[in-house]
Amino acid sequence: GENVEQHPSTLSVQEGDSAVIKCTYSDSASNYFPWYKQELGKRPQLIIDIRSNVGEKKDQRIAVTLNKTAKHFSLHITETQPEDSAVYFCAASRGAGNMLTFGGGTRLMVKP
Amino acid sequence: SQTIHQWPATLVQPVGSPLSLECTVEGTSNPNLYWYRQAAGRGLQLLFYSVGIGQISSEVPQNLSASRPQDRQFILSSKKLLLSDSGFYLCASSLDNTDTQYFGPGTRLTVL
Repeated sequence: GENVEQHPSTLSVQEGDSAVIKCTYSDSASNYFPWYKQELGKRPQLIIDIRSNVGEKKDQRIAVTLNKTAKHFSLHITETQPEDSAVYFCAASRGAGNMLTFGGGTRLMVKP
Repeated sequence: SQTIHQWPATLVQPVGSPLSLECTVEGTSNPNLYWYRQAAGRGLQLLFYSVGIGQISSEVPQNLSASRPQDRQFILSSKKLLLSDSGFYLCASSLDNTDTQYFGPGTRLTVL
Protein backbone atom coordinates (compact mmCIF):
# COMPACT_ATOMS: atom_id res chain seq x y z
CA GLY A 1 0.00 0.00 0.00
CA GLU A 2 0.85 3.67 -0.14
CA ASN A 3 3.19 5.22 2.41
CA VAL A 4 3.51 9.00 2.79
CA GLU A 5 6.34 10.58 4.75
CA GLN A 6 6.15 14.25 5.73
CA HIS A 7 8.96 16.53 6.89
CA PRO A 8 9.62 18.43 9.01
CA SER A 9 7.30 17.54 11.89
CA THR A 10 7.62 21.08 13.27
CA LEU A 11 8.63 24.29 11.53
CA SER A 12 9.10 27.71 13.05
CA VAL A 13 9.51 30.77 10.84
CA GLN A 14 9.49 34.51 11.27
CA GLU A 15 6.52 36.43 9.91
CA GLY A 16 7.16 37.36 6.30
CA ASP A 17 9.54 34.47 5.66
CA SER A 18 8.73 31.49 3.43
CA ALA A 19 7.88 28.00 4.65
CA VAL A 20 8.36 24.73 2.79
CA ILE A 21 6.92 21.36 3.77
CA LYS A 22 7.94 18.23 1.89
CA CYS A 23 6.27 14.87 1.38
CA THR A 24 7.42 11.68 -0.28
CA TYR A 25 5.20 8.84 -1.39
CA SER A 26 5.84 5.23 -2.31
CA ASP A 27 3.11 4.24 -4.80
CA SER A 28 4.06 5.29 -8.31
CA ALA A 29 0.39 4.94 -9.34
CA SER A 30 -0.67 7.80 -7.03
CA ASN A 31 -1.91 10.75 -9.05
CA TYR A 32 -3.73 13.05 -6.63
CA PHE A 33 -1.99 15.05 -3.90
CA PRO A 34 -4.02 17.34 -1.63
CA TRP A 35 -2.85 19.53 1.25
CA TYR A 36 -4.96 20.23 4.33
CA LYS A 37 -4.61 22.89 7.00
CA GLN A 38 -5.87 22.13 10.49
CA GLU A 39 -6.16 24.90 13.05
CA LEU A 40 -6.26 23.99 16.72
CA GLY A 41 -9.47 22.18 17.59
CA LYS A 42 -10.88 22.49 14.08
CA ARG A 43 -11.42 20.19 11.14
CA PRO A 44 -8.78 19.79 8.39
CA GLN A 45 -9.52 22.16 5.52
CA LEU A 46 -8.40 21.53 1.95
CA ILE A 47 -6.15 24.41 0.91
CA ILE A 48 -4.70 23.24 -2.39
CA ASP A 49 -4.32 20.07 -4.42
CA ILE A 50 -2.40 18.93 -7.47
CA ARG A 51 -2.80 16.14 -9.96
CA SER A 52 -0.02 14.29 -11.70
CA ASN A 53 -0.59 15.92 -15.06
CA VAL A 54 0.84 19.22 -13.75
CA GLY A 55 4.11 20.05 -12.02
CA GLU A 56 3.09 23.16 -10.10
CA LYS A 57 -0.03 24.93 -8.94
CA LYS A 58 -0.37 28.31 -7.24
CA ASP A 59 -3.09 30.02 -5.25
CA GLN A 60 -2.04 33.44 -3.97
CA ARG A 61 0.65 32.84 -1.31
CA ILE A 62 0.41 29.05 -1.52
CA ALA A 63 1.99 26.82 -4.14
CA VAL A 64 2.46 23.08 -4.51
CA THR A 65 5.11 21.40 -6.66
CA LEU A 66 5.18 17.78 -7.75
CA ASN A 67 8.09 15.66 -8.94
CA LYS A 68 6.65 12.36 -10.11
CA THR A 69 10.02 10.90 -11.03
CA ALA A 70 11.34 11.39 -7.51
CA LYS A 71 7.92 10.75 -5.95
CA HIS A 72 7.83 13.84 -3.83
CA PHE A 73 5.70 16.95 -3.57
CA SER A 74 6.04 20.13 -1.55
CA LEU A 75 3.91 22.93 -0.13
CA HIS A 76 5.35 26.44 -0.33
CA ILE A 77 3.92 29.33 1.67
CA THR A 78 5.34 32.76 0.94
CA GLU A 79 5.10 35.92 3.06
CA THR A 80 3.92 33.90 6.06
CA GLN A 81 1.49 35.48 8.49
CA PRO A 82 0.58 34.51 12.08
CA GLU A 83 -2.73 33.11 10.83
CA ASP A 84 -0.80 30.55 8.79
CA SER A 85 0.14 28.88 12.09
CA ALA A 86 -1.52 25.44 12.04
CA VAL A 87 -0.85 21.78 11.37
CA TYR A 88 -0.51 20.93 7.69
CA PHE A 89 -1.16 17.45 6.28
CA CYS A 90 -0.22 16.14 2.86
CA ALA A 91 -1.92 13.14 1.31
CA ALA A 92 -1.76 10.94 -1.76
CA SER A 93 -4.16 8.67 -3.61
CA ARG A 94 -4.58 6.81 -6.90
CA GLY A 95 -7.58 8.93 -7.74
CA ALA A 96 -11.36 8.68 -7.68
CA GLY A 97 -12.65 5.81 -5.56
CA ASN A 98 -9.32 5.27 -3.83
CA MET A 99 -8.29 6.04 -0.29
CA LEU A 100 -6.25 9.03 0.76
CA THR A 101 -3.05 8.17 2.63
CA PHE A 102 -2.01 11.03 4.92
CA GLY A 103 1.41 12.15 6.02
CA GLY A 104 2.09 12.57 9.73
CA GLY A 105 1.58 16.35 9.70
CA THR A 106 3.75 19.45 10.14
CA ARG A 107 3.15 21.96 12.89
CA LEU A 108 3.94 25.39 11.45
CA MET A 109 4.50 28.27 13.85
CA VAL A 110 4.79 31.78 12.45
CA LYS A 111 6.33 34.19 14.93
CA PRO A 112 5.20 37.81 14.72
CA SER B 1 -21.72 21.89 -2.60
CA GLN B 2 -21.85 19.30 0.13
CA THR B 3 -22.23 20.08 3.84
CA ILE B 4 -21.24 17.58 6.51
CA HIS B 5 -22.84 17.55 9.95
CA GLN B 6 -21.56 15.62 12.96
CA TRP B 7 -23.32 15.04 16.23
CA PRO B 8 -22.54 15.47 19.06
CA ALA B 9 -19.75 18.07 18.99
CA THR B 10 -18.29 16.91 22.31
CA LEU B 11 -18.85 13.85 24.45
CA VAL B 12 -17.53 12.60 27.78
CA GLN B 13 -18.17 8.95 28.45
CA PRO B 14 -17.07 6.45 31.13
CA VAL B 15 -14.99 3.41 30.26
CA GLY B 16 -17.20 0.49 29.28
CA SER B 17 -20.12 2.61 28.12
CA PRO B 18 -21.56 2.42 24.59
CA LEU B 19 -20.97 4.99 21.85
CA SER B 20 -22.90 6.29 18.89
CA LEU B 21 -21.60 9.13 16.71
CA GLU B 22 -23.57 10.36 13.75
CA CYS B 23 -22.51 11.93 10.47
CA THR B 24 -24.94 13.25 7.87
CA VAL B 25 -24.22 14.82 4.50
CA GLU B 26 -26.29 17.37 2.60
CA GLY B 27 -26.05 18.56 -0.97
CA THR B 28 -24.99 15.38 -2.68
CA SER B 29 -26.11 11.84 -3.27
CA ASN B 30 -24.20 8.56 -3.13
CA PRO B 31 -21.11 10.03 -1.48
CA ASN B 32 -18.16 7.98 -0.30
CA LEU B 33 -18.01 8.37 3.48
CA TYR B 34 -15.11 7.96 5.89
CA TRP B 35 -14.49 7.89 9.63
CA TYR B 36 -11.12 9.07 10.89
CA ARG B 37 -9.76 9.30 14.43
CA GLN B 38 -7.16 11.79 15.54
CA ALA B 39 -5.47 11.33 18.91
CA ALA B 40 -4.29 14.52 20.62
CA GLY B 41 -1.41 16.06 18.68
CA ARG B 42 -1.31 13.20 16.22
CA GLY B 43 -2.19 12.43 12.61
CA LEU B 44 -5.32 11.10 10.93
CA GLN B 45 -6.11 7.40 11.28
CA LEU B 46 -8.67 5.99 8.83
CA LEU B 47 -11.12 3.75 10.68
CA PHE B 48 -13.89 2.91 8.19
CA TYR B 49 -15.05 3.87 4.74
CA SER B 50 -18.24 3.25 2.82
CA VAL B 51 -19.05 3.47 -0.88
CA GLY B 52 -22.78 2.86 -0.44
CA ILE B 53 -25.66 1.86 1.85
CA GLY B 54 -24.73 -1.17 3.92
CA GLN B 55 -21.20 -1.30 2.46
CA ILE B 56 -18.54 -0.83 5.13
CA SER B 57 -14.83 -1.50 4.95
CA SER B 58 -12.72 -1.55 8.09
CA GLU B 59 -9.15 -0.34 8.06
CA VAL B 60 -8.23 -1.01 11.66
CA PRO B 61 -9.58 -3.95 13.72
CA GLN B 62 -10.74 -2.69 17.11
CA ASN B 63 -13.78 -2.36 19.31
CA LEU B 64 -15.47 0.13 16.98
CA SER B 65 -17.99 -0.55 14.23
CA ALA B 66 -19.67 1.54 11.55
CA SER B 67 -22.97 1.41 9.76
CA ARG B 68 -24.56 3.24 6.86
CA PRO B 69 -28.33 2.86 7.17
CA GLN B 70 -29.10 5.61 4.65
CA ASP B 71 -27.29 7.07 1.65
CA ARG B 72 -26.15 10.19 3.49
CA GLN B 73 -25.88 8.88 7.05
CA PHE B 74 -22.83 7.24 8.57
CA ILE B 75 -22.73 6.04 12.18
CA LEU B 76 -19.77 5.05 14.33
CA SER B 77 -20.51 2.80 17.30
CA SER B 78 -18.96 0.91 20.14
CA LYS B 79 -20.46 -1.48 22.66
CA LYS B 80 -17.81 -0.80 25.31
CA LEU B 81 -15.48 2.18 25.21
CA LEU B 82 -11.82 1.98 26.16
CA LEU B 83 -9.61 4.78 27.46
CA SER B 84 -7.67 4.57 24.19
CA ASP B 85 -10.83 5.47 22.25
CA SER B 86 -10.48 9.10 23.33
CA GLY B 87 -9.81 11.43 20.43
CA PHE B 88 -11.21 13.69 17.76
CA TYR B 89 -13.49 11.77 15.40
CA LEU B 90 -13.85 13.18 11.94
CA CYS B 91 -16.30 12.19 9.26
CA ALA B 92 -15.29 12.92 5.67
CA SER B 93 -17.11 12.76 2.37
CA SER B 94 -16.13 12.61 -1.26
CA LEU B 95 -18.29 12.60 -4.34
CA ASP B 96 -18.67 9.22 -5.99
CA ASN B 97 -16.57 10.07 -9.03
CA THR B 98 -13.94 12.27 -7.39
CA ASP B 99 -11.15 11.85 -4.90
CA THR B 100 -11.37 15.14 -3.01
CA GLN B 101 -12.37 14.59 0.60
CA TYR B 102 -14.03 17.21 2.79
CA PHE B 103 -14.24 16.90 6.53
CA GLY B 104 -17.07 17.47 8.96
CA PRO B 105 -16.60 19.58 12.12
CA GLY B 106 -15.69 16.56 14.23
CA THR B 107 -16.70 15.06 17.59
CA ARG B 108 -14.31 15.34 20.49
CA LEU B 109 -14.64 12.21 22.63
CA THR B 110 -13.14 11.88 26.09
CA VAL B 111 -13.31 8.50 27.78
CA LEU B 112 -12.73 8.64 31.54
